[in-house]
Amino acid sequence: KAGVTQTPRYLIKTRGQQVTLSCSPISGHRSVSWYQQTPGQGLQFLFEYFSETQRNKGNFPGRFSGRQFSNSRSEMNVSTLELGDSALYLCASSLGLVGQETQYFGPGTRLLVL
Amino acid sequence: AQSVTQPDIHITVSEGASLELRCNYSYGATPYLFWYVQSPGQGLQLLLKYFSGDTLVQGIKGFEAEFKRSQSSFNLRKPSVHWSDAAEYFCAVGAGNNDMRFGAGTRLTVKP
Repeated sequence: KAGVTQTPRYLIKTRGQQVTLSCSPISGHRSVSWYQQTPGQGLQFLFEYFSETQRNKGNFPGRFSGRQFSNSRSEMNVSTLELGDSALYLCASSLGLVGQETQYFGPGTRLLVL
Repeated sequence: AQSVTQPDIHITVSEGASLELRCNYSYGATPYLFWYVQSPGQGLQLLLKYFSGDTLVQGIKGFEAEFKRSQSSFNLRKPSVHWSDAAEYFCAVGAGNNDMRFGAGTRLTVKP
C-alpha cells in the first residue's frame, strides 16, 4: 500500500498570503489528522477529520482550517500568514479515530513565511 | 486530559552501547502508547505501540518498550545502538476521546 502523501513538500510564502496544503491518506483510512511542528513548540495537534467531519480541534486560531473529501483526502488552509506559521506541517492517517488507532505520518510540508 | 513527559531532551551514546529513552504519561485509564522516530526533515515512523496484553512490546529496528502501570512509564530500549539510530524519538499517548498527545521528543546522538 502506498503511504501517506503530502503536497507540496516545500513552500515559501509572504506574510498576509494564504496557503493550502494537501494530504492523501493510506487507502482505506478514514481519519486524517494535522500537526504543526516547530523547534520551540514541538508537535502540536491542529485538527482531525473523520468521514468528512471535524472530530477534534487543537488550540489554534481560526486562520487554520481544514476539510476532508469523500475519498478521505484532506486539505488544510492557513489564511493571513504570519511569520510564526513557519513550520513543518505533518499529516497522519489512521483507520479509526485519533488516540485509539495507530497513526501513519506523511513526510510533511515545510512552510516558510517571509 | 492526558499528558506525556520525556525528561531527556538530548542523549548521546556510543555506537554499540545500550539505550533507554524515558517516557512518563498522565492518564486516568490505560492509555494507548506509541513510540515514533523522526529523521531530520522527515515525517514520523512508528517504532512500536502498546494497546493491551503483554507489557513488553517489540518493535522495528530492534527496539522494545515496557509498559509499567505502577510507574506510569513506557520506556524505549535497544540493547546495541547503531549509528543509523541517530534521530529524534517521540513518545505519544492516545485516549478514547479523540486525543493524541506527543512528548517534546528526545534527540539521540550516536558517537562512533
